[in-house]
Amino acid sequence: SYELTQPLSVSVALGQTARITCGGNNIGSKNVHWYQQKPGQAPVLVIYRDSNRPSGIPERFSGSNSGNTATLTISRAQAGDEADYYCQVWDSSTDVVFGGGTKLTVL
Amino acid sequence: EVQLVESGGGLVKPGGSLRLSCAASGFTFSNAWMSWVRQAPGKGLEWVGRIKSKTDGGTTDYAAPVKGRFTISRDDSKNTLYLQMNSLKTEDTAVYYCTTDVVGAGVYYFDYWGQGTLVTVSS
Repeated sequence: SYELTQPLSVSVALGQTARITCGGNNIGSKNVHWYQQKPGQAPVLVIYRDSNRPSGIPERFSGSNSGNTATLTISRAQAGDEADYYCQVWDSSTDVVFGGGTKLTVL
Repeated sequence: EVQLVESGGGLVKPGGSLRLSCAASGFTFSNAWMSWVRQAPGKGLEWVGRIKSKTDGGTTDYAAPVKGRFTISRDDSKNTLYLQMNSLKTEDTAVYYCTTDVVGAGVYYFDYWGQGTLVTVSS
């Protein structure tokens, strides 16, 4: 079965750039999507198809995907960006797969 | 505005049953593929299963942990999605979210989520 690996936690200084990775075998050949989940709230889609932002998502959020790693980049990090972030793909043998999630802390 | 409102969660004993509902509005429900995604306390997201639109066959798919115990259905006349959960186990304890699904060639993701409903399985 296909698996996605995320770091448990990432820290970033206020105003700096945070990068959250999502590892998977040849993930660059798949479409990767990212969700933000703040405490007590439902997940929100922040990036779809590797690098596309839904309407209402700030340009500070961007995504890339190549080789065995996809990356969610959050520029000029704000306190309001503190949340759990999940990557997700669809795999022909495993169906929907979520990464384990990364807790982003803004210092 | 897309709205998804889940209901039906609660406390149930192991081996028991529960039916969740998800009332949808703000989009053409009958054309939508819908899923249930759950999240155990303090844990990550886990896809439970999906139902396709009737025009795409109306069929269902399930994740291995729930296959044979859970059933997803829909009532397009009521714009409502259901999750029938039988033979519940303690490990089914989670917040259950309904989602609208975006589907394409090699693409599958969840663009809207409900607020979730908590299911607790405990004796």
